[in-house]
Amino acid sequence: EAQVTQNPRYLITVTGKKLTVTCSQNMNHEYMSWYRQDPGLGLRQIYYSMNVEVTDKGDVPEGYKVSRKEKRNFPLILESPSPNQTSLYFCASSLGKAPSGANVLTFGAGSRLTVL
Amino acid sequence: GQQVMQIPQYQHVQEGEDFTTYCNSSTTLSNIQWYKQRPGGHPVFLIQLVKSGEVKKQKRLTFQFGEAKKNSSLHITATQTTDVGTYFCAGPGGSAWQLTFGSGTQLTVLP
Repeated sequence: EAQVTQNPRYLITVTGKKLTVTCSQNMNHEYMSWYRQDPGLGLRQIYYSMNVEVTDKGDVPEGYKVSRKEKRNFPLILESPSPNQTSLYFCASSLGKAPSGANVLTFGAGSRLTVL
Repeated sequence: GQQVMQIPQYQHVQEGEDFTTYCNSSTTLSNIQWYKQRPGGHPVFLIQLVKSGEVKKQKRLTFQFGEAKKNSSLHITATQTTDVGTYFCAGPGGSAWQLTFGSGTQLTVLP
């Protein structure tokens, strides 16, 4: 089954304790991206990657790192989490870019992170 | 970066009533997409519009892309409880690789 898999689905941590949220896709997609969802703010893009070893900042990259060493994996790293990073995080992937129409996103199930 | 504005933020309707959400961009969009997120779920792709003035239908859902390719709408006829969720529009962002989402419209359908 074609899917995007995120782990963990739920996590409670404390300020300053490094954590990684993993994301893996089995569709051979070139493009992968991380979003955070907060009430009233919709989905805001954190980082995205156009291919292996190619990443770029989205709209809210502060406090996050990413890497794309393999095509299927795109982990999100919080080096020193803070309470304002408490959020629902989604990983997503797509074949390619607009305007080809290949930029339709497939989302993972989400990871709910609480930072105390 | 590029912004996509979506209204209303919330909408409560009685089952059987119609519902519309609107999406506006300050710049021309090469395409616009619509997603639905059920409560507790993740966004799921509904449709993509590419052509100026395009209208597409999926059963009770009608999607429109404006002539100037700066606005779009999603209309649901005779809502059902299964339509509950948040509807997002999304358009290309600052680069062709980005997809920028509207803030979403949360639809509640009262039985």
